[in-house]
Amino acid sequence: RKEVEQDPGPFNVPEGATVAFNCTYSNSASQSFFWYRQDCRKEPKLLMSVYSSGNEDGRFTAQLNRASQYISLLIRDSKLSDSATYLCVVTGRDSNYQLIWGAGTKLIIKP
Amino acid sequence: DAGITQSPRHKVTETGTPVTLRCHQTENHRYMYWYRQDPGHGLRLIHYSYGVKDTDKGEVSDGYSVSRSKTEDFLLTLESATSSQTSVYFCAISESLSVDIQYFGAGTRLSVL
Repeated sequence: RKEVEQDPGPFNVPEGATVAFNCTYSNSASQSFFWYRQDCRKEPKLLMSVYSSGNEDGRFTAQLNRASQYISLLIRDSKLSDSATYLCVVTGRDSNYQLIWGAGTKLIIKP
Repeated sequence: DAGITQSPRHKVTETGTPVTLRCHQTENHRYMYWYRQDPGHGLRLIHYSYGVKDTDKGEVSDGYSVSRSKTEDFLLTLESATSSQTSVYFCAISESLSVDIQYFGAGTRLSVL
């Protein structure tokens, strides 16, 4: 079992719709969680950190469910520019704070 | 954007040849990392550095070596390239190890024929 698992997609979503995807992690001792965004043939960039209380940044909302060991990302009023691959990242003392990366979920927003 | 430059950006080489990739940062961050990214896999850590001359192995270090003689430069060497090392290589930097954001270079696309 992979340490961090994501549905690879692609999620094909019409512009303006709301889309959500999850990421599950296997190590219950994981301490920090992030969503990164990666455009095609570009480098990953931090989208947002995921706090225990959740985190909202404009149209993006991230949630953490420690009991079920998953984090989620919700995108409201999706834009064409949201098309990208979204990478889930987990870290903690057990991994010596090395980032453990999911393979990503590909999102395609259609006009 | 963080000042991270990777060179070369693209390289095609033959099996058995040595290859060195360079990462240069202007942010004076202590930590530097080399990852590889392959389809169906998350980024996988090859090696990382926590200071000049201080390096450690990551998840997929076999066949790779690194060196850091200056804060700003982190070199990744494939001593004898193999086709399984065809990948996209990313360098990243961070100020600290725990819970800190990592900033990435633009990547190097390496093809080993």
